[in-house]
Amino acid sequence: KAGVTQTPRYLIKTRGQQVTLSCSPISGHRSVSWYQQTPGQGLQFLFEYFSETQRNKGNFPGRFSGRQFSNSRSEMNVSTLELGDSALYLCASSPQGADIQYFGAGTRLSVL
Amino acid sequence: AQTVTQSQPEMSVQEAETVTLSCTYDTSESNYYLFWYKQPPSRQMILVIRQEAYKQQNATENRFSVNFQKAAKSFSLKISDSQLGDTAMYFCAFIYPNSGGSNYKLTFGKGTLLTVNP
Repeated sequence: KAGVTQTPRYLIKTRGQQVTLSCSPISGHRSVSWYQQTPGQGLQFLFEYFSETQRNKGNFPGRFSGRQFSNSRSEMNVSTLELGDSALYLCASSPQGADIQYFGAGTRLSVL
Repeated sequence: AQTVTQSQPEMSVQEAETVTLSCTYDTSESNYYLFWYKQPPSRQMILVIRQEAYKQQNATENRFSVNFQKAAKSFSLKISDSQLGDTAMYFCAFIYPNSGGSNYKLTFGKGTLLTVNP
């Protein structure tokens, strides 16, 4: 089985722009979660989707949003980028009801 | 709120030796799961070991084992016969089922950077 695939691997944007990151879960996994990783704050939960519905959201501003498609692929969008949004964004998938999350290699976003 | 604390920001060990990474957590939940994840320089977060809170027996995966002390809310990772490939950031993490019975949010510690020296 292919693992969790995140694209692109690297992104460079400027302040004020918006960005969309993509995540393809492991085949058969319907839950997709997103995390932000920074040196200062560590790993923080952004949101989780299951069957195209956002079930839970972390403590992030409304500029961070996401969606999930019928094939379980997920995208997250960040609008009006700020310098502090520079981070590694990790996506994880899991089967329904499972506790283990499997991670992708992440997208490194740099905001200049 | 759940918290996970890793008190050792960095550790080093000689190849073939044994090292223990510490983790404590705080929760009022009774049913939960604990994990150690490894993140090498390649950035891929890899599951090392998993422990179910309702199981008293400590989990073991090859050279990796845990010491789970539920009453003390402690969950340490022991790596035996350390190898150069074990060099990575290690994260302790916690998850519990929400009211709907689904596990959805991992809470991570700040991580311990382990360096294995030749």
